[in-house]
This record gives sequence, C-alpha cells and structure tokens, in this order.
Amino acid sequence: GAVVSQHPSRVICKSGTSVKIECRSLDFQATTMFWYRQFPKQSLMLMATSNEGSKATYEQGVEKDKFLINHASLTLSTLTVTSAHPEDSSFYICSARKTGGYGYTFGSGTRLTVV
Amino acid sequence: DQQVKQNSPSLSVQEGRISILNCDYTNSMFDYFLWYKKYPAEGPTFLISISSIKDKNEDGRFTVFLNKSAKHLSLHIVPSQPGDSAVYFCAASGAGNTGKLIFGQGTTLQVKP
Repeated sequence: GAVVSQHPSRVICKSGTSVKIECRSLDFQATTMFWYRQFPKQSLMLMATSNEGSKATYEQGVEKDKFLINHASLTLSTLTVTSAHPEDSSFYICSARKTGGYGYTFGSGTRLTVV
Repeated sequence: DQQVKQNSPSLSVQEGRISILNCDYTNSMFDYFLWYKKYPAEGPTFLISISSIKDKNEDGRFTVFLNKSAKHLSLHIVPSQPGDSAVYFCAASGAGNTGKLIFGQGTTLQVKP
C-alpha cells in the first residue's frame, strides 16, 4: 500500500531558529503533496499545496515567507518553519497523492514545540 | 468560512450498537468525500470514501451515506467496537478528486465496553 513517511515526529526548537520537516512517499510518486496544521482539539487546516517542480500554493492567511515549502522530487516535500515563535507550536501533517491516482495518504505528523 | 462542518464534537455509544457520525458541507462543487480516523499525535487513517455519483458506499462495518440535496453525509459504524474510539474527520474535495481536502472539525467517538 501507499506509505508516507514524515520526519521528525517530534521537535523542540528555540525561538528564532528554523525547523525543517520532511515528507516522503516511500513506494509511490507524488506530484502533489499537502501540508496541514492542527491545533489541539481542532480540525486539520490546509496550509499549502506543494507541487513537484513548481512553487507551492498557499492558503489565505498562511505566510509563505515563514513556511517555506520545497517539492524538489516526486517523492519528497519539505516544510521549513523559519524564525519560529511559540505560536508556531502545533502538529504539522503532510499528505501525498499518487501521481495519476486517487486518494490521499497521510504522514504520521510532526509535533513542533517552540520554546 | 467553514465549508465542512461536524456539529457534534463528541459521541458516546455502547459496544455493539450503531455509531452515526454526521457531516454537512456548503460547497456544491465538492464531489468526493472521505472519512478519516485519527488518534492523538498521529496522522489520519483513511476509512472510507464516496463519490457524488453515489449515495451509499459500504466497506465491512463502515457505511457512508451521501444526501446531495441536503449537502449531508454520515458515517455508520455497526457494530461499534471499543477499538473504534478515536476522532473521526470528514473531508471533502472538488473537481473530480484532483483538489485539496477540506476537513471538518472532527467528532470524538467513545465506544464503551
């Protein structure tokens, strides 16, 4: 079956530093990946759509300069939280769609804590 | 603007009984709907989906019903098991499942032994 690996699962960083989160499709190619953010007891909010070889499409209200997305290959998308602040602390989840296929496979998520 | 709504934040049922989770949507362009199960600190796990050309889809203990005129869908779990206890999210996408997923707020299901 389709497997998406997300790394790291947990990260603690200091305010002002940057953190990179990786999302890999292990057994399929994904032209499109999605990045979500979830606050405690709330829904998954789509942050951006990551397209291989092109710029990401950000949702309204998401700062593209703060949340840098790179989708350099068909199996890897990265989200970099730059100049992190405590309010960026959240659960970040990626999902991937198989190229030419249907359905979405989610990563296991990354718990980011900014201190 | 919450395009996908799950108005019940929680639901508690007895083991063996039916669990019914509801979801409403506002965007008539949505044509593909999915249900996910999620545990804390984990990614969502796909359960079942339905295309707008259907009004019912069944997979084992899980059945999803779609009422397009009411813009409403529901997930039935029968019989409910304690292992079903989790947060359930409905999600919708448009344009033939080529678009992004919009999630509801989630419903926490507790199945009591």
